[in-house]
Amino acid sequence: DAKTTQPTSMDCAEGRAANLPCNHSTISGNEYVYWYRQIHSQGPQYIIHGLKNNETNEMASLIITEDRKSSTLILPHATLRDTAVYYCIVLKAAGNKLTFGGGTRVLVKP
Amino acid sequence: NAGVTQTPKFQVLKTGQSMTLQCAQDMNHEYMSWYRQDPGMGLRLIHYSVGAGITDQGEVPNGYNVSRSTTEDFPLRLLSAAPSQTSVYFCASSYATGTTVGEQYFGPGTRLTVT
Repeated sequence: DAKTTQPTSMDCAEGRAANLPCNHSTISGNEYVYWYRQIHSQGPQYIIHGLKNNETNEMASLIITEDRKSSTLILPHATLRDTAVYYCIVLKAAGNKLTFGGGTRVLVKP
Repeated sequence: NAGVTQTPKFQVLKTGQSMTLQCAQDMNHEYMSWYRQDPGMGLRLIHYSVGAGITDQGEVPNGYNVSRSTTEDFPLRLLSAAPSQTSVYFCASSYATGTTVGEQYFGPGTRLTVT
């Protein structure tokens, strides 16, 4: 599975949109982009995934560039409860091993 | 649904002791997995299973055994605990069709300390 690169940390203001970037320049055609988050001391939580089209659900939106070499997770109205480590993961369609990197530590400030 | 449950929540072992971490899910998921997370680090895959009777190794399998006799349960056995196995252990499950292995549900974790 392709490697991903994320910023180590970022801050965001409560109520504003949080835009979390992820680089996956070696992604191949059958690999999906997944996002998880881990709130302190809890198990990771699945957020969203996509192949090439933009996706939206009740938690977030995922924007994937046309060349698929990068993506952005958008939390539209960040709350203090969104403070967490966010992981961007690339996984083949038939893959069965999620590989977690270092993630981005997001701190939402009042 | 209880989701993914793990027991115990906390455990302290002495070096050389053995124990089993329990994981159960009530969502009829085919796929189950075990991860460990060391302080300040990301998760690393220990073992996984794509169905009852089928298990395979992840990134860091040494020192751990698993079996999958039922769909619901996926216990992780530490054969002879070492201080290097001090970690938080997470169990996860998902359906195993198409891309759904990527949509995993995680348990609350077991915090293990080996002295």
